[in-house]
Order: sequence, then C-alpha cells, then structure tokens
Amino acid sequence: DAGVIQSPRHEVTEMGQEVTLRCKPISGHDYLFWYRQTMMRGLELLIYFNNNVPIDDSGMPEDRFSAKMPNASFSTLKIQPSEPRDSAVYFCASSQSRGREETQYFGPGTRLLVL
Amino acid sequence: AQSVTQLDSQVPVFEEAPVELRCNYSSSVSVYLFWYVQYPNQGLQLLLKYLSGSTLVKGINGFEAEFNKSQTSFHLRKPSVHISDTAEYFCAVRAGNNRKLIWGLGTSLAVNP
Repeated sequence: DAGVIQSPRHEVTEMGQEVTLRCKPISGHDYLFWYRQTMMRGLELLIYFNNNVPIDDSGMPEDRFSAKMPNASFSTLKIQPSEPRDSAVYFCASSQSRGREETQYFGPGTRLLVL
Repeated sequence: AQSVTQLDSQVPVFEEAPVELRCNYSSSVSVYLFWYVQYPNQGLQLLLKYLSGSTLVKGINGFEAEFNKSQTSFHLRKPSVHISDTAEYFCAVRAGNNRKLIWGLGTSLAVNP
C-alpha cells in the first residue's frame, strides 16, 4: 500500500495568500484526520471525517480554515487568507474503523511557511 | 476528559545504553495507549499500542512499553539504543469509542556515539 499521501511537501507563501493542502488517505480507510504540529502547541487535531462527512471540527482555529472531503480518496485543507502564525507542519492521517484495534496512519506532512 | 503528560522533553543517551521515556495519562474511563515515533522531517509512525491483555507490549525496533493502571503510566523502554533511534517520541491516549487521540508534547531522544 502507498500509505497516506500529502501534497505539497513544502509550501512557502506570503501573508494573505490562499493555501491548499491535499491528502489522499489509505484505500479502504473510512476516517481521515487533519493535524497541525508546532513547537509551541505540539500536535493538534483540527478536524476529522468519517465516510467523507466532517464529524468534529472543534479544533479548526478560525474561519480562515476550511476542510473538505469530496470523496473517499481525497481531502483538502484550505487557509484563506494565510497569516504568519499559520506556519506549521500539517499532517493528514487515516484509519479504518475496527473498534479498539483502530490505528491512525500518518502522511509525511506538509511544511508550511507563511512570510 | 483525558490528558497525557510526557515527563521529559529531551532525553540524551549514549549509544548502546538503555533508555526509558516516561508517559503518564489521566482518564476517568478505560483507555487505549499508543507510542508513535517521528524521525526528522517525516510523519509519525506507530511504535506500539496497548489495547488490553498483557500489560507488557512489544513494538517495532526493539521497543517495549508497560501499562501500569495503578500509576496511570505507559513508559517506553529499550534495553540498548542505536544512533538511528534519534527521533521525537509521542505518547497518545484514546478513550473508548472516541476517535480522537490525545497527544503528549513529545520527547526528543538524542542518541550520541
């Protein structure tokens, strides 16, 4: 299996620009998670989906952030407009609902720098 | 609500020495416990997990962890580390059917020659 795929791996943009991060989960997985990792706050869950439906978006920092999952094999996280404090590594993870056996598998991350 | 505390932010150790990375959690319900490793500039990879049964869990790369319910701990151990074990290690907890993982802030393991 190819694992969770994220693109781009690195993104440098200027404040005010729109940023779109992409994720392809592992085939057959029905849960998808978006995380943000910073030195100050560690790993934060932003939002997660089940069968393409957003279940919990309580971690989304503000209205500038939005996430979609139009089908089982693709999700996007969009920041509009971007700000320097959004600079972080963004991870996508997926899992297959198996009760207590469920394990999240992570992608390599997108390193975002907003200037 | 659940919380996870990784007691050491940095652990320096010499190659071939034993290491223990400490993790404590708090929860009012039964939990499942995980250790993930993050190598530089990479995503997180599952090292091991405790779901039920034997409190001693063996994972990849020679790591093991012991679940101690009375002390609410899940410490990670390796009897002899290698340079290649240098990475960030994260402890996480999941409660019941909740899909959310609650994460510790991580422990940076630096293995020196």
